[in-house]
Amino acid sequence: NAGVTQTPKFRILKIGQSMTLQCTQDMNHNYMYWYRQDPGMGLKLIYYSVGAGITDKGEVPNGYNVSRSTTEDFPLRLELAAPSQTSVYFCASSYSEGARGYTFGSGTRLTVV
Amino acid sequence: QKEVEQNSGPLSVPEGAIASLNCTYSDRGSQSFFWYRQYSGKSPELIMFIYSNGDKEDGRFTAQLNKASQYVSLLIRDSQPSDSATYLCADRPFSGGGADGLTFGKGTHLIIQP
Repeated sequence: NAGVTQTPKFRILKIGQSMTLQCTQDMNHNYMYWYRQDPGMGLKLIYYSVGAGITDKGEVPNGYNVSRSTTEDFPLRLELAAPSQTSVYFCASSYSEGARGYTFGSGTRLTVV
Repeated sequence: QKEVEQNSGPLSVPEGAIASLNCTYSDRGSQSFFWYRQYSGKSPELIMFIYSNGDKEDGRFTAQLNKASQYVSLLIRDSQPSDSATYLCADRPFSGGGADGLTFGKGTHLIIQP
């Protein structure tokens, strides 16, 4: 099993550009999450989903959008990229409500210049 | 606001000694607690989770939970240089059943000195 797969691994965006960070899991997990991690800071929840068609905002949703059309995929959309969105983005999934923790993807390192 | 606090370190421990990592949390309703290891440039990897007061052991790792003191710790016995990493503590709040995400601390940077 591949687990949680994120693409791309690295990306440089110019201010105002848009992009989609892809996340796919093959573990049939209902729960999926997007976190961002800034240097010296903890992981901050951006959006989460409890199943196909259901998404909700986390702690830091501004500037991002998500969709969940299938159980496997949970893409994160950045519209009008800003330097404040320079970060490492992690997608994660869990079988239940995170009762046994999450499985994380390998991350996407995004730089906005 | 729910918070998980950790000493950022670095915590330096000689090889073969016991490394002790500590974490406090603010949400009294938190149900379960997690320790993740994160190597530089890599994603977090789950080491252990604990629900009940007391100790839980898994190989060289022991997690300890004291809900009355809102305190979680991770002990690493016979520390190895490969244990050098950042250790993230996280809790799963009661509200929302955890569906609204784990709350993570900022992590403790552990260095095992050969």
